[in-house]
Amino acid sequence: DAKTTQPPSMDCAEGRAANLPCNHSTISGNEYVYWYRQIHSQGPQYIIHGLKNNETNEMASLIITEDRKSSTLILPHATLRDTAVYYCIVRVGGDSWGKLQFGAGTQVVVTP
Amino acid sequence: KAGVTQTPRYLIKTRGQQVTLSCSPISGHRSVSWYQQTPGQGLQFLFEYFSETQRNKGNFPGRFSGRQFSNSRSEMNVSTLELGDSALYLCASRGNPTGGYEQYFGPGTRLTVT
Repeated sequence: DAKTTQPPSMDCAEGRAANLPCNHSTISGNEYVYWYRQIHSQGPQYIIHGLKNNETNEMASLIITEDRKSSTLILPHATLRDTAVYYCIVRVGGDSWGKLQFGAGTQVVVTP
Repeated sequence: KAGVTQTPRYLIKTRGQQVTLSCSPISGHRSVSWYQQTPGQGLQFLFEYFSETQRNKGNFPGRFSGRQFSNSRSEMNVSTLELGDSALYLCASRGNPTGGYEQYFGPGTRLTVT
């Protein structure tokens, strides 16, 4: 699976959009981009995933560049409850077994 | 729909003992994965079970084992506990392995080895 690079930390003001970047320059054509987050001492929470088109759900939006070498997770209106570690993971989709390879992620702190 | 449940939530064991942790996946989910999380190593994959068969295994010693029952519930066992086994053990379930890696994690079991 392709490796990902994320900034170690970022701050965001409550009510503003949080834009979390992820670099995955060695991504293959059949690899999806997944985002999870982990609030302190809880299990990780699935947020969103995509292949090449932009995706949106009730939690966030995922913007993947045309060359698929990077992506951005957007939390449209950050709240204090969005303070968490956010993980960007690249994984082969479809019929495959294995693991989600979690890196260090980005520690996001939302401030009042 | 109820989420993934793990029992117990907290556990204290002594070095050399063994421990069994339990995980009940979301109803209808047949795949269960286990992860270990420590401050130093982060989240590391232990193994995944589907239809009572281990499908993949991470780089952990043989002291770590698991199994899955016909109702998809899973247990993991750690024998001869070491201090370094102190960690948060997380279980995750997903519905259909062909459908991707949208996994749902439980709250974890916090294991402390003294």
